[in-house]
Amino acid sequence: KQEVTQIPAALSVPEGENLVLNCSFTDSAIYNLQWFRQDPGKGLTSLLLIQSSQREQTSGRLNASLDKSSGRSTLYIAASQPGDSATYLCAVRGTGTASKLTFGTGTRLQVTL
Amino acid sequence: SAVISQKPSRDICQRGTSLTIQCQVDSQVTMMFWYRQQPGQSLTLIATANQGSEATYESGFVIDKFPISRPNLTFSTLTVSNMSPEDSSIYLCSVRQGGNEQYFGPGTRLTVT
Repeated sequence: KQEVTQIPAALSVPEGENLVLNCSFTDSAIYNLQWFRQDPGKGLTSLLLIQSSQREQTSGRLNASLDKSSGRSTLYIAASQPGDSATYLCAVRGTGTASKLTFGTGTRLQVTL
Repeated sequence: SAVISQKPSRDICQRGTSLTIQCQVDSQVTMMFWYRQQPGQSLTLIATANQGSEATYESGFVIDKFPISRPNLTFSTLTVSNMSPEDSSIYLCSVRQGGNEQYFGPGTRLTVT
């Protein structure tokens, strides 16, 4: 059974700092990995999708890397802003077209002025 | 990307009653999913709903409690039956496009009193 863990559970940084969020998973047989953002009481916004054959994906100030063999992914946020404050979730999808997403526990990020 | 809407956005219900949540997608999708997010927790998959077939429920979730309909490729409903306070959660509809990226609706916040 796939298990996904995110460290740290919560993080507070001053505006402008670069930061790294970590995600680890126990079963390396994944199809892809997706990072999401969730604002309080809201749905999920997809940030980045990394296929199992890829090493990283970039979108604006966000960069996600994937090391499938070691069961790890990182989300790098450059020059953080107060608007980045949210909970960040990573989710891994197992192999097979009908496989489900398994979600991590999330990292709650607060960017202060 | 897919645009997903849910109705209602929130509701307060009495125990023992039922609530039906609607999910509408702006494009035709084969795979739709229903998730539950209990307070302070990550997401848990309730069931996968594919058009033209019975929904597939995850361990711990049963059709009598969470009946699902999927009448066409753009619409689905989830009913939470005979509610108790433990059913207080955010319920999220999700779709997978192109076999890859997964998108989520804004969620329905349910409080059972």
